[in-house]
Amino acid sequence: GAGVSQTPSNKVTEKGKYVELRCDPISGHTALYWYRQSLGQGPEFLIYFQGTGAADDSGLPNDRFFAVRPEGSVSTLKIQRTERGDSAVYLCASSSQGSTSTEAFFGQGTRLTVV
Amino acid sequence: AQTVTQSQPEMSVQEAETVTLSCTYDTSESDYYLFWYKQPPSRQMILVIRQEAYKQQNATENRFSVNFQKAAKSFSLKISDSQLGDAAMYFCAYRDNYGQNFVFGPGTRLSVLP
Repeated sequence: GAGVSQTPSNKVTEKGKYVELRCDPISGHTALYWYRQSLGQGPEFLIYFQGTGAADDSGLPNDRFFAVRPEGSVSTLKIQRTERGDSAVYLCASSSQGSTSTEAFFGQGTRLTVV
Repeated sequence: AQTVTQSQPEMSVQEAETVTLSCTYDTSESDYYLFWYKQPPSRQMILVIRQEAYKQQNATENRFSVNFQKAAKSFSLKISDSQLGDAAMYFCAYRDNYGQNFVFGPGTRLSVLP
């Protein structure tokens, strides 16, 4: 596609439920990032993929959070046993490999609300 | 760990005037990249301008320019001839030469007054 696509745009779930958030990066981009943005704050790093592997998952807050990218393209962020504190906008970004000056292209995010 | 600070939670500017948004960062690296991203209410982050730390010349993109002071670890954004469409959250971001994650500041909300 022309840009980074994230689905769903909005998700409301009950506390304790499991959710999956999807990210379709720009075609050919090997690097993929997940960020979490709480209201009024800057994006907070969660995990970075280079190809199929997680190159850095140091930002995942706990073991309820997990992300996969099995074929090196689409990625899914999975949250188990959701808590009200997980409510935030989850942003996905992708960039091409090779140049560290390359910008990251962001999707419009998924707003997750845990009630 | 690298950190990015934006000391102005909110700023406002009259249409057609100039405004400067501040950003400071902390790093022990000598090679890195700095970015300003704009986030309108649509939530999509849009790149405004980037600066390579090894370049002494300040980056410019049309009405947007930066004042990069490497020794002071300062990276401010100047918006000239402000337009109503410039109203948004602005985030300063750092990326090191290893090309991994971006570190973002807390943001500055810019209002443009007609």
